[in-house]
Formats: sequence, C-alpha cells, structure tokens
Amino acid sequence: EPEVTQTPSHQVTQMGQEVILRCVPISNHLYFYWYRQILGQKVEFLVSFYNNEISEKSEIFDDQFSVERPDGSNFTLKIRSTKLEDSAMYFCASSPGVGNEQFFGPGTRLTVL
Amino acid sequence: AQRVTQPEKLLSVFKGAPVELKCNYSYSGSPELFWYVQYSRQRLQLLLRHISRESIKGFTADLNKGETSFHLKKPFAQEEDSAMYYCALKPFGNEKLTFGTGTRLTIIP
Repeated sequence: EPEVTQTPSHQVTQMGQEVILRCVPISNHLYFYWYRQILGQKVEFLVSFYNNEISEKSEIFDDQFSVERPDGSNFTLKIRSTKLEDSAMYFCASSPGVGNEQFFGPGTRLTVL
Repeated sequence: AQRVTQPEKLLSVFKGAPVELKCNYSYSGSPELFWYVQYSRQRLQLLLRHISRESIKGFTADLNKGETSFHLKKPFAQEEDSAMYYCALKPFGNEKLTFGTGTRLTIIP
C-alpha cells in the first residue's frame, strides 16, 4: 500500500540555520500539507499546497517558512532561519482531492539548539 | 475560528469495558469531524469520519450538533486499542484540519 514518506526522521540544527524537510507524497495525490506538533501540544496546520501554489496557510507560516514541489515527486518545507521554538515534529500529508482522507507521513523531528 | 476540545489527556479502561473518548468542537459553519489514531511508533491514521457513519474496529462516533460533540465509543475495549486518539475538524470545502490535544487511551489487561 502506498505511503507518504519523510526524510530525515530526525534533524538537529543550530539556531539561525536553514533546514529543509522533505516529503514524498503518494504518487497520484494532488493536495499536500504540512502540520507540526510541538512536544506536548496539539497537531497544528501550517500550509496546504495545490496546483503548484499555496492554497491556505496559518498564522504560524510566516516569511521564515516556504514550501516547494521542485520535481513533481518531492514536497519540501524550508525554514530559513530556525528559532528554538521551531523545535517540533513536522508531519507531511497528502490527499487525492478535496474532501478526501489526508494520509500522513511518519514525521520529522526537528530539534533546534 | 474553529476549536476542538478533548478534555481527557489520559484514559485507562479495563479490557472488555466500554470506552468513550470525549470530543467537543466550536465552529460557526458546517463542520466535518474525524477521529485519527496513532498507535505506538506508527503514523497518524484516519479511524473514522462522521459523514461515512461507519464502525471501524468496533468504534463509532455520532455527530451531535446540539451539543457540538463527536464522542468516540466502543462497547468492549481490546488491548490493541491502546493508542493516542485525536479528534479533528475540517470545514466543508476547506482542507485545513484542526486537531484536539489528543487522549492517550490505555487498556488494562
């Protein structure tokens, strides 16, 4: 059964550094998402992406964040200058269409030191 | 703005006993409600959604618009039900999922 994959599983970085989190959505899916979960808190929506552009973003998704689908298979989340409070589990998800189930990846744990 | 509340962070139930995980929501429009489950060392996965009105792994959930609730129930708990359960809301026609804080369910053998 196809699954969403994410790399790396754990990323450690210094404050102020740029990080890129990678996701490979399920191949025939058209909608892509990033969520994050700070330890002990709820899963929070960051951004949705469709037809090569952002369709919705939350107030968390500020200018430090960007998303890209560089090659038709990968879907990346870039954080330009990481802050301590960016430490969290980042989940990628994809769905075949509006109103369909969102399938989640296993997550990338980002630790900012 | 939408909000999902799961009042219990932890819930322990004996095997064979009934389970109820509470979820209340706040949203002015027409919502779609979901339960997601995360078993130990596994990814988040959809358990059920209110529009399908199915029973999955013996679990059911009924949307009560009057009480703005979507509680998850199972008549007889099994050990394999131990997991983290998240209630989530999505406005119809929108793709943004809003999650509750989750309830960790532990089934005592």
